[in-house]
Amino acid sequence: SQQGEEDPQALSIQEGENATMNCSYKTSINNLQWYRQNSGRGLVHLILIRSNEREKHSGRLRVTLDTSKKSSSLLITASRAADTASYFCATEAPGANSKLTFGKGITLSVRP
Amino acid sequence: GAVVSQHPSRVICKSGTSVKIECRSLDFQATTMFWYRQFPKQSLMLMATSNEGSKATYEQGVEKDKFLINHASLTLSTLTVTSAHPEDSSFYICSARDSGVPDTQYFGPGTRLTVL
Repeated sequence: SQQGEEDPQALSIQEGENATMNCSYKTSINNLQWYRQNSGRGLVHLILIRSNEREKHSGRLRVTLDTSKKSSSLLITASRAADTASYFCATEAPGANSKLTFGKGITLSVRP
Repeated sequence: GAVVSQHPSRVICKSGTSVKIECRSLDFQATTMFWYRQFPKQSLMLMATSNEGSKATYEQGVEKDKFLINHASLTLSTLTVTSAHPEDSSFYICSARDSGVPDTQYFGPGTRLTVL
């Protein structure tokens, strides 16, 4: 069963704008991860945030985690056309031994 | 960074044939690999966890006799789709967990299976 639910399901923005994507989940987690997938390709790991962390940065990416609300957000600043892709959040539950449960994904389109 | 390869990247086969997909960790050892299935415009669904030297653990609803998994070495896991049918057409993605790095999982580029 799917754990994460991202919103919006689709997002279209202009190059240079910021893109914010949200993910909610239902059960306890060890960590939450964000991935990017270009059409017909494999997944690229973007960032991992642990359950005891609240915010992480990586380049133009900023991830927040609110365990009380069971939600996370991924912010991409100064978006580029190359950021066009599907984005998934995935959670690892305690004792899951790295087994990930993926959300449905968000399709991001960045218009040049 | 760590690389996971999959072979073949694309396969087209006739209904009733079996297809083997390989997943290799190229520069690290992986005691655990995962196999996912993804339908168009949908999310990844975990099919099974492949454990080196032992039997795979299948998710509920996944037929183990249909999707045979072998993890014979620390760098190779194979998924065999037996007696494939058109409904097995999908994008199959593997991932490998780096035994030496916690919380880290690397994904392969995927295999597009089309069963005619």
